Amino acid sequence: EDQVTQSPEALRLQEGESSSLNCSYTVSGLRGLFWYRQDPGKGPEFLFTLYSAGEEKEKERLKATLTKKESFLHITAPKPEDSATYLCAVQAYYGQNFVFGPGTRLSVLP
Amino acid sequence: GAVVSQHPSWVICKSGTSVKIECRSLDFQATTMFWYRQFPKQSLMLMATSNEGSKATYEQGVEKDKFLINHASLTLSTLTVTSAHPEDSSFYICSPRGEGTETQYFGPGTRLLVL
Repeated sequence: EDQVTQSPEALRLQEGESSSLNCSYTVSGLRGLFWYRQDPGKGPEFLFTLYSAGEEKEKERLKATLTKKESFLHITAPKPEDSATYLCAVQAYYGQNFVFGPGTRLSVLP
Repeated sequence: GAVVSQHPSWVICKSGTSVKIECRSLDFQATTMFWYRQFPKQSLMLMATSNEGSKATYEQGVEKDKFLINHASLTLSTLTVTSAHPEDSSFYICSPRGEGTETQYFGPGTRLLVL
């Protein structure tokens, strides 16, 4: 059974304090790993797609990396507006449903 | 990214009534529509998948007679919660996917509160 776990469950950072979020997965195959940001009361907002081990993607203060077992979302010098829940999802093969992790709730304090 | 709308954004109804939620993909054709439910502080739970013009496929534990899904066009899908009860109160999110695309985009969600 495909499974996705995320850690930590919640993370509180001071503004400017860099950190990383982890997404570990066990799937029959890996078509793609996806990162989303979700603000309270809103739908998930797409951030990145990673397809193969060693791949990296960057967007502003966020950088996503991928290995064969896990993905990291690195947040460099976060700002309060980066506070949100970050979800990762995997797709084992093309056309299959996404399997979502439980998310990491990030709070960045000014 | 893709533009997806949902209507209404929130709804309060009495127990026993039916509620219809609309999901529109505004700038692409959605050959597949996913409907999710999300409870507070929990992740997204897939309810059903539908392809345009076909019957929806429901996940285990989701009552197909209670959650009616219609995907009659490539830009519109509806989810009807029939005879809603308080335990159906949740955040419902649609996610359309176009043919040949790999990224899933999500609607803004509909918050349902059943009294």
